[in-house]
Amino acid sequence: DIQMTQSPSSLSASVGDRVTITCRASQSINSNLNWYQQKPGKAPNLLIYVASSLQSGVPSRFSGSGSGTDFTLTISSLQPEDFATYYCQQSYSIPITFGQGTRLEIK
Amino acid sequence: DVQLVESGGGLVQPGGSLRLSCVASGCAFSSYWMSWVRQAPGKGLEWVANIKQDGSEKYYVDSVKGRFTISRDYAKNSLYLQMDSLRAEDTAVYYCARNGMSGQRWFDCWGRGTLVTVSS
Repeated sequence: DIQMTQSPSSLSASVGDRVTITCRASQSINSNLNWYQQKPGKAPNLLIYVASSLQSGVPSRFSGSGSGTDFTLTISSLQPEDFATYYCQQSYSIPITFGQGTRLEIK
Repeated sequence: DVQLVESGGGLVQPGGSLRLSCVASGCAFSSYWMSWVRQAPGKGLEWVANIKQDGSEKYYVDSVKGRFTISRDYAKNSLYLQMDSLRAEDTAVYYCARNGMSGQRWFDCWGRGTLVTVSS
């Protein structure tokens, strides 16, 4: 199974900050990496697919990059509604696996 | 605006069975692979199983193989998860999720989830 490791596990930031979350795969997954945002008590919401494609309806302040084993999710200017938990997920092979999550909190 | 609606969760004893259902109400269903993803209380996301549009291919995470069965009813626009021999570690919110177009293994439409609690 492919292991996905996110860093940091938690992060404190302020509105307007630029934030980067990283995700590392235990083997190369090409560009088969997706990002989700989850707010408490809600289902996850797809933000980015195939590493850098922005899902329809997602604000352009979200962007993704990377390939192979190392990936990043960047939020260019944090908004109050962005405080949530973020997960990466590999879609390269079965079983599909997720990172452990990064909790983004208000400083 | 809910697009997938799960039902069937509840409290069950270890070793018991439960059948989850998911009905599509606002996102297209029949032309897509579908999946179940679960989340234990306070924990991260875990993919459980997926199924091809016509039901001819099914895949499972190792921890549920032989115990869980995914199925779908094309005519009813419904997805199911039959869960047998349940264990305490199966306690989670179970989400129904639609795979991306052409069988892509990301999830672009989700339900609100249904809670399964396995406890005596």
